[in-house]
Amino acid sequence: DSGVTQTPKHLITATGQRVTLRCSPRSGDLSVYWYQQSLDQGLQFLIQYYNGEERAKGNILERFSAQQFPDLHSELNLSSLELGDSALYFCASSVGQGDTQYFGPGTRLTVL
Amino acid sequence: AQSVTQLGSHVSVSEGALVLLRCNYSSSVPPYLFWYVQYPNQGLQLLLKYTTGATLVKGINGFEAEFKKSETSFHLTKPSAHMSDAAEYFCAVSWAQAGTALIFGKGTTLSVSS
Repeated sequence: DSGVTQTPKHLITATGQRVTLRCSPRSGDLSVYWYQQSLDQGLQFLIQYYNGEERAKGNILERFSAQQFPDLHSELNLSSLELGDSALYFCASSVGQGDTQYFGPGTRLTVL
Repeated sequence: AQSVTQLGSHVSVSEGALVLLRCNYSSSVPPYLFWYVQYPNQGLQLLLKYTTGATLVKGINGFEAEFKKSETSFHLTKPSAHMSDAAEYFCAVSWAQAGTALIFGKGTTLSVSS
């Protein structure tokens, strides 16, 4: 158990819908990262927050957004969902920037 | 562009045999290097990492990796495979100068037969 929690574990929804994925980092960690794992694209970095502020963006679609709240938990919002958004979404946390990232168990999103 | 290449999407070994999983990166600047393991239906677990210092790094579960700058490689080895080592292994890199996000290779599935 890495100490990073993600909810929900599974999510099934329809095209065009909007969903929110939640991540609670390890106690004391200030950085939160979001990654997407799909069969065709592999593991890709989406976005990073550090102590409430966005610090880096990767291959994140405009339909996706994220935020980190004062209690340091983070949410990833996916809207106008398409079939291709079906994937495993991982959250990772680290103490600071550049420190070891610890991954949560992931949220499996299925878009029908 | 910076990238990570894992040679071999699937590696099969017998129990007790040497495990060798290959990872190469492309960059003129030495990165931080990581190996993660993913068991079915689970998240990623850190096996080991290299940032600075000794180039031979020991990790959990008997794995180790050696950073070779001249070969831009960070291959993962284990002297004797165990059935429980069957999983998917990911090599990842990050560069402090480019932020701290991890760039992953496509992964190598390790199968261990008895």
